[in-house]
Amino acid sequence: DTAVSQTPKYLVTQMGNDKSIKCEQNLGHDTMYWYKQDSKKFLKIMFSYNNKELIINETVPNRFSPKSPDKAHLNLHINSLELGDSAVYFCASSQWLSTGAGANVLTFGAGSRLTVL
Amino acid sequence: TQLLEQSPQFLSIQEGENLTVYCNSSSVFSSLQWYRQEPGEGPVLLVTVVTGGEVKKLKRLTFQFGDARKDSSLHITAAQPGDTGLYLCAGARGGNKLTFGTGTQLKVEL
Repeated sequence: DTAVSQTPKYLVTQMGNDKSIKCEQNLGHDTMYWYKQDSKKFLKIMFSYNNKELIINETVPNRFSPKSPDKAHLNLHINSLELGDSAVYFCASSQWLSTGAGANVLTFGAGSRLTVL
Repeated sequence: TQLLEQSPQFLSIQEGENLTVYCNSSSVFSSLQWYRQEPGEGPVLLVTVVTGGEVKKLKRLTFQFGDARKDSSLHITAAQPGDTGLYLCAGARGGNKLTFGTGTQLKVEL
């Protein structure tokens, strides 16, 4: 049973197209994330949802729109794709921590490699 | 931005050698984690350290959190090809947002 599953694993598309990546977790976590890993392997947070509510929204172009229909799903829709959007996108989940309650532990999906031509 | 710099960026060694990876920042973190990522997969948590000066061991891997909680190190003894991967440190400042380091790509050859 895959804990955090993303689809598709590979996505090749043309500039200007709109595409979506889906993510589902079966861990019972209440918080989900989208991270972007660039060609230098740097992993940067994009968004985070807690119980379907957006709680982290880093400096990401408006062309990126996350949607969380329920706490087990977090999808990422990208409009008007650009060459610079090419990267591996990782979904992750965790259980929300209260301040001082310890360390947040993320479980990642296997990633979705997006190539924009 | 709480930048976490890792060094070295790339490391290629022979099986049986020892190595140390460093994770440095000018910011204080409430906790620090190390993840390992293999090709085509997402990062997987190895360890979490929360107390300044804390040392944790995971078989041949030894993790240390700096006294001031600004830096950490990962030492691998007698490296094996199975240790090959991308090692990422990640720091948190009391919240649910993790900042990842710049990564260290390790290759262990026979």
